[in-house]
Amino acid sequence: GQQLNQSPQSMFIQEGEDVSMNCTSSSIFNTWLWYKQDPGEGPVLLIALYKAGELTSNGRLTAQFGITRKDSFLNISASIPSDVGIYFCAGHGMYSGGGADGLTFGKGTHLIIQP
Amino acid sequence: NAGVTQTPKFRVLKTGQSMTLLCAQDMNHEYMYWYRQDPGMGLRLIHYSVGEGTTAKGEVPDGYNVSRLKKQNFLLGLESAAPSQTSVYFCASSLWTDTQYFGPGTRLTVL
Repeated sequence: GQQLNQSPQSMFIQEGEDVSMNCTSSSIFNTWLWYKQDPGEGPVLLIALYKAGELTSNGRLTAQFGITRKDSFLNISASIPSDVGIYFCAGHGMYSGGGADGLTFGKGTHLIIQP
Repeated sequence: NAGVTQTPKFRVLKTGQSMTLLCAQDMNHEYMYWYRQDPGMGLRLIHYSVGEGTTAKGEVPDGYNVSRLKKQNFLLGLESAAPSQTSVYFCASSLWTDTQYFGPGTRLTVL
């Protein structure tokens, strides 16, 4: 199946710092999605991007759909303790997920915030 | 509006036993999916459905079967469980094919 390279794998930051993570792919995607997963819970959709070059915000979160359609980044400003969790990028395109309608997921970025 | 719900939340099986996981959504979504999540592997698509009465294979379909008899429900079956199927299973649904909403997950252990 398709692969998404998500980096960094983990981040240890101080409360109040800004966070940046990204995903890259060798394939073109039509949609980029960012999810957050808390321990013992399912992924929760944070931001959806549908157009190359699109920049979208959701509170302190900002994500961009790369111009080449092969990458996306997520920024979190002024991190707070509840931002702790695993952040996943996901791409959707014709060849993702082994089928026409699945998502291809990155392996996640573990965000750990030190008070 | 409960979104996507999954039952059971936890299950322990012995090798060779069978079971069915139930997913329900109340958003009138056409598309439903089953994923498994394993450490270091991310989420991988098992099967999906593009509407009532339809199913299709995803990336890792072997050992699983699915059925979508009603639009709001999507069932995942394991006919003869194996230890390699120990995982966390997530159901998701979407109105179109991209923006998917996930359930809380089922943690399955096969001994």
